[in-house]
Amino acid sequence: GEDVEQSLFLSVREGDSSVINCTYTDSSSTYLYWYKQEPGAGLQLLTYIFSNMDMKQDQRLTVLLNKKDKHLSLRIADTQTGDSAIYFCASGNTPLVFGKGTRLSVIA
Amino acid sequence: EADIYQTPRYLVIGTGKKITLECSQTMGHDKMYWYQQDPGMELHLIHYSYGVNSTEKGDLSSESTVSRIRTEHFPLTLESARPSHTSQYLCASNEGNQPQHFGDGTRLSIL
Repeated sequence: GEDVEQSLFLSVREGDSSVINCTYTDSSSTYLYWYKQEPGAGLQLLTYIFSNMDMKQDQRLTVLLNKKDKHLSLRIADTQTGDSAIYFCASGNTPLVFGKGTRLSVIA
Repeated sequence: EADIYQTPRYLVIGTGKKITLECSQTMGHDKMYWYQQDPGMELHLIHYSYGVNSTEKGDLSSESTVSRIRTEHFPLTLESARPSHTSQYLCASNEGNQPQHFGDGTRLSIL
């Protein structure tokens, strides 16, 4: 079946940039997604990118898509302690395929 | 902001009981999903629906069942709860290829 891979942990200092990477196998995905999950909560849609775009910027968030390499990244500029959470990459159509999540820890 | 609601938020119940977890959405979305997730771990798709009277099994073998009699409701039922069912259950919905929106989840503990 289709697969999405992410590194499991990332630790950054407050104020630095965070980059979370994801690779996927489903080339038919119309959109690719980033979700954020805080402890005890559901998943919150953070941002998404249409598959024919290379980049999308939304305030502190930048999504880069390399369709040839099937590589998606999420950059968070000026990372804050409130950004500490688990970030899930997702691809596919119905149903979505989720990665296992990257736990971002922000050190003050 | 998406309007998708799950009840109860928390449930602690004994082994052998029948449980129904409720999920409702007010957006008229055609597709709905149930995921099982242990805290901080990966999501496992257990059931989904393309619309009324449609239900499909997900990737994770589950002893639960679902029904989709109305567009806005997608309840999940466990006929006889076991300690292995202890987990968080997340409901989501979307329309077409639009993003999935998630509820806040039900945290289930079986004693």
